[in-house]
Amino acid sequence: AAGVIQSPRHLIKEKRETATLKCYPIPRHDTVYWYQQGPGQDPQFLISFYEKMQSDKGSIPDRFSAQQFSDYHSELNMSSLELGDSALYFCASSRQGRSSANTEAFFGQGTRLTVV
Amino acid sequence: AQKVTQAQTEISVVEKEDVTLDCVYETRDTTYYLFWYKQPPSGELVFLIRRNSFDEQNEISGRYSWNFQKSTSSFNFTITASQVVDSAVYFCALSEVRTALIFGKGTTLSVSS
Repeated sequence: AAGVIQSPRHLIKEKRETATLKCYPIPRHDTVYWYQQGPGQDPQFLISFYEKMQSDKGSIPDRFSAQQFSDYHSELNMSSLELGDSALYFCASSRQGRSSANTEAFFGQGTRLTVV
Repeated sequence: AQKVTQAQTEISVVEKEDVTLDCVYETRDTTYYLFWYKQPPSGELVFLIRRNSFDEQNEISGRYSWNFQKSTSSFNFTITASQVVDSAVYFCALSEVRTALIFGKGTTLSVSS
């Protein structure tokens, strides 16, 4: 079965550089979430999209932005990178449909970003 | 505001022991969803179970079982006859209607042979 695809899997950037992470949700899933997980931490919600519109916003720094495209893939853009941005970045997708029920979110394997 | 508390930071057991991971949640909504995810050393987050607030039935899946009690706002996870491959970080998570998952701090389970 198709899963959530994230690219790249690993990324090394220098301070003050920019990075773009990509996420390809499971086909027919209409909701995408982005999470940041620091070392030894729980995943922290950054932002989500439902049907290509931003639906919820968490603790996403102003230096970060995200969008969902017409083909439902999503990109997380990170600028002016700091050492503290080093983390595992997860994308997850789910199929909410028009119901209010929150279905399970399936996570990609994550992108490990290291800022040096 | 929603909150998930996993009071057990680390648990160590020997193979074949049963182990229960505790999860306590807080929410003001009457409709909410509870989840458990497993994160093995390789790093991916693996979905284990989802429960909605109207379904208090306990569930068993092989060696895994879950006990949902609204009266104590708990959603505990038991692994029976643990195995080395169960070693991982386990996260309990909560979401309200059309909101993102909020995770607990996780419990690191170490199973030795």
